[in-house]
Amino acid sequence: RKEVEQDPGPFNVPEGATVAFNCTYSNSASQSFFWYRQDCRKEPKLLMSVYSSGNEDGRFTAQLNRASQYISLLIRDSKLSDSATYLCVVNLNTDKLIFGTGTRLQVFP
Amino acid sequence: DADVTQTPRNRITKTGKRIMLECSQTKGHDRMYWYRQDPGLGLRLIYYSFDVKDINKGEISDGYSVSRQAQAKFSLSLESAIPNQTALYFCATSDAAPGQGSTDTQYFGPGTRLTVL
Repeated sequence: RKEVEQDPGPFNVPEGATVAFNCTYSNSASQSFFWYRQDCRKEPKLLMSVYSSGNEDGRFTAQLNRASQYISLLIRDSKLSDSATYLCVVNLNTDKLIFGTGTRLQVFP
Repeated sequence: DADVTQTPRNRITKTGKRIMLECSQTKGHDRMYWYRQDPGLGLRLIYYSFDVKDINKGEISDGYSVSRQAQAKFSLSLESAIPNQTALYFCATSDAAPGQGSTDTQYFGPGTRLTVL
C-alpha cells in the first residue's frame, strides 16, 4: 500500500464549480499534513497546511480526519487559474516529507 | 531573482556519462533536498542535507551522490548515467524539519529535466 494515496484524476470541472480532492495516508503516526500545488512542468509550491481543526484560505478549505487517516481539499468557485496538479503531502515527524502522486484538476470555461 | 536556482534546466546525455546537477539558494536555509519526479510515481527523495557536514540518503539514493559545498550549494551527481534516471529533478530547501520549527514549507527550484539516451 502506498504511504500517501490520491485519485490521479483528471477532474474536469466548469468555472464556478466546487470540487473536492481526497487523500489517504497509511501511517497513523503521521504528524503534519499539507497540500502543494504543481503547475505543468513547474515546481511544487505550498498551497496550505492542514490542521486538525480544519482551515480555510479564501476559496480553499482543507480538512483532516485522523481517525480515518484522510485529508481533503475543497475548492469553491473554481477559476481557470486553479488548473494544476494538487499534491497531498504527509510528514511522520521525521526529516522527510512523503508526497502523493497528485490529483490533476482542469477547469474549463 | 529566484530564491532557489538549478542548473542546467535541461540536459540530454548518453548512457555512462557523468552528470552533475547544481542547486543554489539565497534563502539562508540550512536544509536542502534532492528529489526526482516520474509520471505516476510522484516526488521521491534522493538525498538530503541538514548542514554542510550532514548528508543523508533518501528513498532512492543508489546511482547518485551529492556534495554540500556550502550552506547555499548542494549538487547531485550521476556517476554513470543510465536511461532509467531520465526524470525531472528538483532541489528544495527548508529552514526547519517538516513538522517542527517555524515553517513546514519546502521551497523548490524550477527543476532540471534530464534525459539519458
